[in-house]
Amino acid sequence: LAKTTQPISMDSYEGQEVNITCSHNNIATNDYITWYQQFPSQGPRFIIQGYKTKVTNEVASLFIPADRKSSTLSLPRVSLSDTAVYYCLVGDLTIIQGAQKLVFGQGTRLTINP
Amino acid sequence: DTGVSQNPRHKITKRGQNVTFRCDPISEHNRLYWYRQTLGQGPEFLTYFQNEAQLEKSRLLSDRFSAERPKGSFSTLEIQRTEQGDSAMYLCASSSQEGRTNEKLFFGSGTQLSVL
Repeated sequence: LAKTTQPISMDSYEGQEVNITCSHNNIATNDYITWYQQFPSQGPRFIIQGYKTKVTNEVASLFIPADRKSSTLSLPRVSLSDTAVYYCLVGDLTIIQGAQKLVFGQGTRLTINP
Repeated sequence: DTGVSQNPRHKITKRGQNVTFRCDPISEHNRLYWYRQTLGQGPEFLTYFQNEAQLEKSRLLSDRFSAERPKGSFSTLEIQRTEQGDSAMYLCASSSQEGRTNEKLFFGSGTQLSVL
């Protein structure tokens, strides 16, 4: 699986747009990109997933350039409740029966200030 | 709420004791994972079930660890002769895979194990 690199921590303020960029230089053709969010004392929660270009849902947007060597999670108008750890992962699209064995890394600790 | 349920939420035990955790996945999910997470780190894969079959195990899973998923429903993770290094959050996740689609894992809130 491709290794991912993302900032250890970020700070922002309520109402701002936050962009977290993840580097995955060795991403393979079959890999897709997924972001999870984790609050203290809870399991990770799926946010968004994509393969290329732009994906948007009710929570966030995911921007993936043509070379797919990086991706950017965009959180619009953040609030205090968006304070959490955000993980960028890559997974193999071709694995059907086997385990994904997703590698979470350390994630980005996002702190939203009033 | 029919999310992934894990019990107990917290477990404190003495070194050398055996502990067992339970995970109830989302009912229609056939895939079940166990992960372990230590403070400040991301979750690490331990093992995976497809229905009742344990198909993959991480090298992190020593012979003191055993997991089962009888009848492809709930799963248990047992740790024998616990060591202080086993202290961690144990997370269970489930998913359903329909053909070649991107897999989305649904995690429980975990069981926090403290070995004294």
